[in-house]
Amino acid sequence: QVQLQESGPGLVKPSQTLSLTCTVSGGSISSDTDHWSWIRQPAGKGLEWIGRLSTSGTTIYNPSLKSRVTISLDTSNNQFSLNLISATAADTAVYYCAREASGWHPYMHDFWGQGTLVTVSS
Amino acid sequence: DIVMTQSPLSLPVTPGEPASISCRSSQSLLKSNGYNYLAWYLQRPGQSPQVLIYLGSNRASGVPDRFSGSGSGTDFTLTITRVEAEDVGVYYCMQALQAPLTFGGGTKVDIK
Repeated sequence: QVQLQESGPGLVKPSQTLSLTCTVSGGSISSDTDHWSWIRQPAGKGLEWIGRLSTSGTTIYNPSLKSRVTISLDTSNNQFSLNLISATAADTAVYYCAREASGWHPYMHDFWGQGTLVTVSS
Repeated sequence: DIVMTQSPLSLPVTPGEPASISCRSSQSLLKSNGYNYLAWYLQRPGQSPQVLIYLGSNRASGVPDRFSGSGSGTDFTLTITRVEAEDVGVYYCMQALQAPLTFGGGTKVDIK
């Protein structure tokens, strides 16, 4: 059973970089059939897909965040990370990491982390 | 971006009774391979979302058979044949046809 766990600071100052790591267990992050994504949810609101990373190194980002976001892979630690520069209060949300399955055109998020709340405030 | 619209926003249900949620996309989710790139998720209170249905009508592993997905193109429905108390939460549809993946606004299901 694949498990994902987000980690990182719960509080980020405005204009600074929001950085989170997702640790994957129970499976290899190097699987060539899976993709790894970040999704966020502001309090009381819906879900927003941030982007995904394939083990081939291909990344796809939401255009609404594209200029500020980077998702990267650390295969040696079975982790992937999110960096969001120039954070503002609008980036305050619960951030989820998830596995996007499967193949060259993924179609669902079958495993999710528990989510981590990040607040952007001075 | 593909816009996903769900209805209703809120759905009070009676245990043992059926329930259905509608999801409409701003463009067809039917790909040339014959699959509709539409998934349904349930987010129970205080929990992460979990996938219920993928590719329009396929139940995810471990999902009870009282859940079913139907529809094609731009109109989709999630049906619960007999609602149970554990089914309360917010249901989301999501299109996976093209990036950015987008979600519907959610339908909150609670017990009457």
